[in-house]
Amino acid sequence: RKEVEQDPGPFNVPEGATVAFNCTYSNSASQSFFWYRQDCRKEPKLLMSVYSSGNEDGRFTAQLNRASQYISLLIRDSKLSDSATYLCVVTTSGGSYIPTFGRGTSLIVHP
Amino acid sequence: GAVVSQHPSRVICKSGTSVKIECRSLDFQATTMFWYRQFPKQSLMLMATSNEGSKATYEQGVEKDKFLINHASLTLSTLTVTSAHPEDSSFYICSARPPDRGKGGEKLFFGSGTQLSVL
Repeated sequence: RKEVEQDPGPFNVPEGATVAFNCTYSNSASQSFFWYRQDCRKEPKLLMSVYSSGNEDGRFTAQLNRASQYISLLIRDSKLSDSATYLCVVTTSGGSYIPTFGRGTSLIVHP
Repeated sequence: GAVVSQHPSRVICKSGTSVKIECRSLDFQATTMFWYRQFPKQSLMLMATSNEGSKATYEQGVEKDKFLINHASLTLSTLTVTSAHPEDSSFYICSARPPDRGKGGEKLFFGSGTQLSVL
């Protein structure tokens, strides 16, 4: 089983739609969680951190479910510019810090 | 915010040559930098963890003699792909994190990546 798993998609949605991605992680000792956005042939860019209480940034909402070991990302009112790959990143602290990436979920927003 | 600079952004080289990629943290000291490789439509795969002043830690399956990593200062790590072959063609990305945990220290900052094409 991979440490961090994501549905690769692609998720094909019309503008204005609401779309949600999940990411599951296998290490129960994981402590920090992030969503990154990556455009084709570009570096990943931090979209948002994910906290236990959940957090929202404009149209984006991230949730963490420690009991079920998954995080989610909800995008409301999708824009064409949201088309990208969304990477889930999980880190385990305490000693060697190495972030683990999911393979990413591809989102395509069409007119 | 923290900035990581990576050069070159694109390299085309002949098979058998060596290619050096530089990764610099511009406004913070990075004791640790990470090197990733990404094939088309694949995830970022960690190749090695670069530690300032000591040997890099390589992931399983990554040849340390082929991918030479040098982290000679707190702001610079280099990855040299030695005797490159077409199968080494990939997108290489470095990342670094600020040293202070709990102050954004667990967030990663990425270089802009290097697209290597070996003919």
